[in-house]
Amino acid sequence: AQSVTQPDIHITVSEGASLELRCNYSYGATPYLFWYVQSPGQGLQLLLKYFSGDTLVQGIKGFEAEFKRSQSSFNLRKPSVHWSDAAEYFCAVGGTQTGANNLFFGTGTRLTVIP
Amino acid sequence: KAGVTQTPRYLIKTRGQQVTLSCSPISGHRSVSWYQQTPGQGLQFLFEYFSETQRNKGNFPGRFSGRQFSNSRSEMNVSTLELGDSALYLCASSLEAVGNTIYFGEGSWLTVV
Repeated sequence: AQSVTQPDIHITVSEGASLELRCNYSYGATPYLFWYVQSPGQGLQLLLKYFSGDTLVQGIKGFEAEFKRSQSSFNLRKPSVHWSDAAEYFCAVGGTQTGANNLFFGTGTRLTVIP
Repeated sequence: KAGVTQTPRYLIKTRGQQVTLSCSPISGHRSVSWYQQTPGQGLQFLFEYFSETQRNKGNFPGRFSGRQFSNSRSEMNVSTLELGDSALYLCASSLEAVGNTIYFGEGSWLTVV
């Protein structure tokens, strides 16, 4: 069965510090992987996606993620966090096995940034 | 280019009533999918429409239904509302094929009292 695990419910980092948000997935075929961000009261904004090719993908707002098939992971990173990055982050998996555009989401990681 | 537009943004309904939410996808996008977001269950897939046909469906009761029009706009309907239907309902659109980027709207906040 398809599933996504985000083991960290809440992370607090200082502004300027580096960030890594963890994501592990279970999927029976080649996955399509996404990271979305959600600010309070807002919809989901796509940060980056992995479909194939280079396993290190660059996204918007200085974020990057690395796909590691051997570890079934797709961790999100940012070298220096800004106060405006405070939000909830969701990892999602989809692909041909789930159906056309049916994404499975993790439970999210809430990021707090302290000055 | 305009993003995914959802209306209404906020609404309050009474138990037993029914509600219809609307979604206009990004121009040129033919796939529209719907998700429910609640604090307890997180983000869950409801259904997806492509070319006016339901292509995929999540694990929700029959009270949840949807449709898509020839211009790709979509509506979802929830009948006989229950308190547990209170949620943020998100619409997403994408180009037709699997693996295309999925763009989300701002959502419709439904409160059932």
